[in-house]
Amino acid sequence: AQSVTQLGSHVSVSEGALVLLRCNYSSSVPPYLFWYVQYPNQGLQLLLKYTSAATLVKGINGFEAEFKKSETSFHLTKPSAHMSDAAEYFCAVSDTGRRALTFGSGTRLQVQP
Amino acid sequence: DADVTQTPRNRITKTGKRIMLECSQTKGHDRMYWYRQDPGLGLRLIYYSFDVKDINKGEISDGYSVSRQAQAKFSLSLESAIPNQTALYFCATSDFRGEAFFGQGTRLTVV
Repeated sequence: AQSVTQLGSHVSVSEGALVLLRCNYSSSVPPYLFWYVQYPNQGLQLLLKYTSAATLVKGINGFEAEFKKSETSFHLTKPSAHMSDAAEYFCAVSDTGRRALTFGSGTRLQVQP
Repeated sequence: DADVTQTPRNRITKTGKRIMLECSQTKGHDRMYWYRQDPGLGLRLIYYSFDVKDINKGEISDGYSVSRQAQAKFSLSLESAIPNQTALYFCATSDFRGEAFFGQGTRLTVV
């Protein structure tokens, strides 16, 4: 079975500060990993993905994530938060098998002026 | 046009009524999914389909059924709606690696 744990249901940062959203996964086979963002009253859109190429993945809006197999982690970072980054962020795991995409419980990011 | 289209966007229905949520996609992917979103619980998988003849239950399939009418169409039915099925429902489609494209969601309220 595969699963995703997101530490911290709410994270608050000041504008300009580092954003760090944590994601740990479990998977019995090499995983594909994703971060999605959901703005209020909208669907989910892909921020970035890891599909077994480079372990440091860059996404849209200045976000990046690093796949660390030894730590089973895929944490999302952004060097400098912007007010427009306020949203809910979901980490998800999949693989080449017959398992569906599995999501974490989400982290709501608040950006303070 | 959107890659994934859900109808309706909002629906209020009464307890005991049957309701169908529809989803269509233009990505040409074989895999389609229905998720339910509740505050603090993330997205939970209701049903998924890897092709027209391959439909699988997810973690919370009780009280729901689905129909895969074509590669591009995947509908979700609540046979007899109950208030704790009030939620935001998302349809998605993905390639074989799981990169998913989502609809805008259907906000369902059961009164």
